[in-house]
Amino acid sequence: AQTVTQSQPEMSVQEAETVTLSCTYDTSESDYYLFWYKQPPSRQMILVIRQEAYKQQNATENRFSVNFQKAAKSFSLKISDSQLGDAAMYFCAYLEGYYGGSQGNLIFGKGTKLSVKP
Amino acid sequence: SAVISQKPSRDICQRGTSLTIQCQVDSQVTMMFWYRQQPGQSLTLIATANQGSEATYESGFVIDKFPISRPNLTFSTLTVSNMSPEDSSIYLCSVARQGYYTGELFFGEGSRLTVL
Repeated sequence: AQTVTQSQPEMSVQEAETVTLSCTYDTSESDYYLFWYKQPPSRQMILVIRQEAYKQQNATENRFSVNFQKAAKSFSLKISDSQLGDAAMYFCAYLEGYYGGSQGNLIFGKGTKLSVKP
Repeated sequence: SAVISQKPSRDICQRGTSLTIQCQVDSQVTMMFWYRQQPGQSLTLIATANQGSEATYESGFVIDKFPISRPNLTFSTLTVSNMSPEDSSIYLCSVARQGYYTGELFFGEGSRLTVL
């Protein structure tokens, strides 16, 4: 069974600095999707960034970027120029898929609580 | 994107009672999911509720305990039946972007249930 592991229960970063959140996963599949979701306190969970496993290029979304190491089954999230609004729980997630979509289940890690210090 | 409203946002319930959570979406969506997030834990999928078919439950979750209705493309309910303190959790409704599904989900704010 696929598993997603986030080894850092909590992280802290100074405002304007850079922080990297770690995620590893276990799968025997070759095609899948990976995600980082953000859950601010008492607010809705939102998608931060997505990576298709068949793409070698790392995904980026403004200040958010990933380091996808397929062979190592590693998928870290880098947040640059951290802002107070980045404080949240961050969940790494895996979706088994194939090119053309998937009906599979999203498997979430346990999350990393990020604090941003002013 | 989709805007999802859940009711109630929180509730305190007595052991043995049942509670129904409502999920309203501001647009028509086919794929809808119900998740449970226990305190300090990750999200666990309870069931997939696609309009026009019976809900599909994940291992460890059964229809008698978590009956789901999906009467149309904008609304669903999840009932937590015969509650015990172990059911104290946040229950999240989520929907997939229309079109082909790639794991991108929109979430409601969740319903925080405390069972005494």
